Amino acid sequence: QQQVKQSPQSLIVQKGGISIINCAYENTAFDYFPWYQQFPGKGPALLIAIRPDVSEKKEGRFTISFNKSAKQFSLHIMDSQPGDSATYFCAASTSGGATNKLIFGTGTLLAVQP
Amino acid sequence: EPEVTQTPSHQVTQMGQEVILRCVPISNHLYFYWYRQILGQKVEFLVSFYNNEISEKSEIFDDQFSVERPDGSNFTLKIRSTKLEDSAMYFCASRTGIGNTEAFFGQGTRLTVV
Repeated sequence: QQQVKQSPQSLIVQKGGISIINCAYENTAFDYFPWYQQFPGKGPALLIAIRPDVSEKKEGRFTISFNKSAKQFSLHIMDSQPGDSATYFCAASTSGGATNKLIFGTGTLLAVQP
Repeated sequence: EPEVTQTPSHQVTQMGQEVILRCVPISNHLYFYWYRQILGQKVEFLVSFYNNEISEKSEIFDDQFSVERPDGSNFTLKIRSTKLEDSAMYFCASRTGIGNTEAFFGQGTRLTVV
């Protein structure tokens, strides 16, 4: 029940295209859903995050869509650029506890071709 | 911009040896974490630390692991007797502790056990 399932495992998109990565969760206690971007040899960096009281959040070219009833959320990267090529992880956590640990998805390796 | 710093960036050790991975979290942060990422796999929670004690640990964090905040700035992860399967990237993270705020990750320490 603590798992976060992520797909696809890898994704190739042409420059200017839309990249879409999907995640699903089981634990209804999760109330914070961040997306992290990781470049090779670097630590994960927060890209964008959403809470379940909204269905969509947009920051620049990055949008999270959230479907609470389906327990799914997705990352959309509009006008994808070669510099977006990285591994993307969705994650989930619960607030209110002493930990707020992040449960990560398995990651998606995105390659944006010029 | 404040950042989490980790040392060393790469550590090679022989099986059975003790290793200490070091982290300097962001100075006003209150919650500290260690995560592990085996090559090509997802980021996994190891342990959280708050108010000078462990607040939660995963099943991975067995008796061979320990954490310490010895001097109010450093946060260390010790593996007493390393095994081959401990080879991974270890990430330290910290957050302010007010609600579900952003967790900032360090660049990681690549541990190779031979």
